[in-house]
Amino acid sequence: EPEVTQTPSHQVTQMGQEVILRCVPISNHLYFYWYRQILGQKVEFLVSFYNNEISEKSEIFDDQFSVERPDGSNFTLKIRSTKLEDSAMYFCASRMTGGQTQPQHFGDGTRLSIL
Amino acid sequence: SQQGEEDPQALSIQEGENATMNCSYKTSINNLQWYRQNSGRGLVHLILIRSNEREKHSGRLRVTLDTSKKSSSLLITASRAADTASYFCATGGTGANSKLTFGKGITLSVRP
Repeated sequence: EPEVTQTPSHQVTQMGQEVILRCVPISNHLYFYWYRQILGQKVEFLVSFYNNEISEKSEIFDDQFSVERPDGSNFTLKIRSTKLEDSAMYFCASRMTGGQTQPQHFGDGTRLSIL
Repeated sequence: SQQGEEDPQALSIQEGENATMNCSYKTSINNLQWYRQNSGRGLVHLILIRSNEREKHSGRLRVTLDTSKKSSSLLITASRAADTASYFCATGGTGANSKLTFGKGITLSVRP
């Protein structure tokens, strides 16, 4: 069964450094998402992306964050200047269509640790 | 406002017993989904129920939705030790590109 894949599985970065998290959504999916989960807390929505542009973003997704679909397969999340509070598990998700009968499929996540 | 709040927060049962988990939400939804998360892993989609559906089955899973009470329940029948995980309900809004809003999750432990 097709899967959403995320790399790396674990990223350790010094505070203030830039980090890029990578995702390969399921190939025929059109809608892409990033979520994050701080340890012990809820999964929180960051941003949704469709037709090469951001559809919706949360308050968390400030100017330090950006997303890109540089080619036909990858979907990336960049954090320009990381802060300690950015430490979390980051999940990418994709969905085939905009219809509400289709679930979002999640990757296994990237654990981001900011030192 | 809080959305997708599950209860109980933790549930411990014996293998073979049924597990019932509840979720409440506050705003209008288009669908409600349940996900499972094993420790340190990603979210695995279990079942989706649309706002115009009342009950849905998938294998040992049964989910109900009561939009008048803004609540849903997930029943896992004949539980197995492998069902041990965290379970989340997530609501999808009415937009075509709608995000999911998750609850805090329920930790289910199934004792062998």
